[in-house]
Amino acid sequence: AQSVTQLGSHVSVSEGALVLLRCNYSSSVPPYLFWYVQYPNQGLQLLLKYTTGATLVKGINGFEAEFKKSETSFHLTKPSAHMSDAAEYFCAVSDTGGFKTIFGAGTRLFVKA
Amino acid sequence: DAGVTQSPTHLIKTRGQQVTLRCSPISGHKSVSWYQQVLGQGPQFIFQYYEKEERGRGNFPDRFSARQFPNYSSELNVNALLLGDSALYLCASSLVIWGANQPQHFGDGTRLSIL
Repeated sequence: AQSVTQLGSHVSVSEGALVLLRCNYSSSVPPYLFWYVQYPNQGLQLLLKYTTGATLVKGINGFEAEFKKSETSFHLTKPSAHMSDAAEYFCAVSDTGGFKTIFGAGTRLFVKA
Repeated sequence: DAGVTQSPTHLIKTRGQQVTLRCSPISGHKSVSWYQQVLGQGPQFIFQYYEKEERGRGNFPDRFSARQFPNYSSELNVNALLLGDSALYLCASSLVIWGANQPQHFGDGTRLSIL
């Protein structure tokens, strides 16, 4: 069965600092991986997705993620945090049948001025 | 173009009651999925419908049911509500079901509170 583990339920960074949100997955087949962001009282918005091909994936709002098969990781980064980045971030894996997306527990990002 | 719309936005029910939540997908999207998001957790998959047929079901009791209409809108029904059913219920649509790389577009959810 596929699963996703997000390391750290809360991450706090200063404005302008590097953002690193960690995600490890478990899958017996090549996975499709996603990062979503959720702002308060809103649904989830897709940041980026990995399907096949290039292992470095660029998303919206300056975020990117690197797929590392050897480490079964898909960590999300942003070189310089902005106050507007404060939100909940979810890593997700899609099963091969395409029937459902499995989400991690989420990481809440705090950005300090 | 309108995104995924869900109604109502908030709902308060008491234990034992029944509730129906509604979702309209993005125009042209034929697949609708439902998720339950308990406070402080990630969304948990409940159902996926494609072309009006159930294509996937998560680990939820039979009190949860859903259906998809010819216009691809969907309803989620929950019977005999329990306190633990209090959550944000999210609907997501995607263009097709085939191919696991299809990202899902989420609505803003229905906040269900059980008293």
